[in-house]
Amino acid sequence: SQTIHQWPATLVQPVGSPLSLECTVEGTSNPNLYWYRQAAGRGLQLLFYSVGIGQISSEVPQNLSASRPQDRQFILSSKKLLLSDSGFYLCAWSVGQAEDTQYFGPGTRLTVL
Amino acid sequence: QQQVKQSPQSLIVQKGGISIINCAYENTAFDYFPWYQQFPGKGPALLIAIRPDVSEKKEGRFTISFNKSAKQFSLHIMDSQPGDSATYFCAASLYGGAQKLVFGQGTRLTINP
Repeated sequence: SQTIHQWPATLVQPVGSPLSLECTVEGTSNPNLYWYRQAAGRGLQLLFYSVGIGQISSEVPQNLSASRPQDRQFILSSKKLLLSDSGFYLCAWSVGQAEDTQYFGPGTRLTVL
Repeated sequence: QQQVKQSPQSLIVQKGGISIINCAYENTAFDYFPWYQQFPGKGPALLIAIRPDVSEKKEGRFTISFNKSAKQFSLHIMDSQPGDSATYFCAASLYGGAQKLVFGQGTRLTINP
């Protein structure tokens, strides 16, 4: 069966520090991968998606970047965190068809102070 | 035009009652409409989904009603139970090699025993 992992589960970082969040998927090959951010009390906003290794599409301009160094690994990064980067970051995967279920990971709670 | 508007923001229903959550969209190119359920501190999980060529879909106690001409869709939870207490998100997607979901703001549902 397929499993999606995210780490760390929680993170508190000072403004201006770098960020690296990791997502890995097990049990499937060549998945579509997604990064979402959920602000407190709000819906999810798609940040990045990837249909293959090294292929990254950005949905909103921001202080973040994403990379996919391996088929089942998706990384969210920032060189300098802003207060507004605080939120709940969710990684998701799907098999790559129009009506795919997107399966979400457990999320990372990021607080920037 | 990419927004999905969801209402109400919060909803309290008695056990055994019917919970109804509504969503509206603008972009007629959306072609897939899922509902997600999220418990506190967890990632969302797919509950039920519908395509625009179907007016209603039922799975157990959960029903999606879809009105293409009005660009609206709704989730009905019959015989609501305390275990249904969660935040519910509607979403709509455009498929272009990847399923890009646009989420509503969410509805916090509380079922009183």
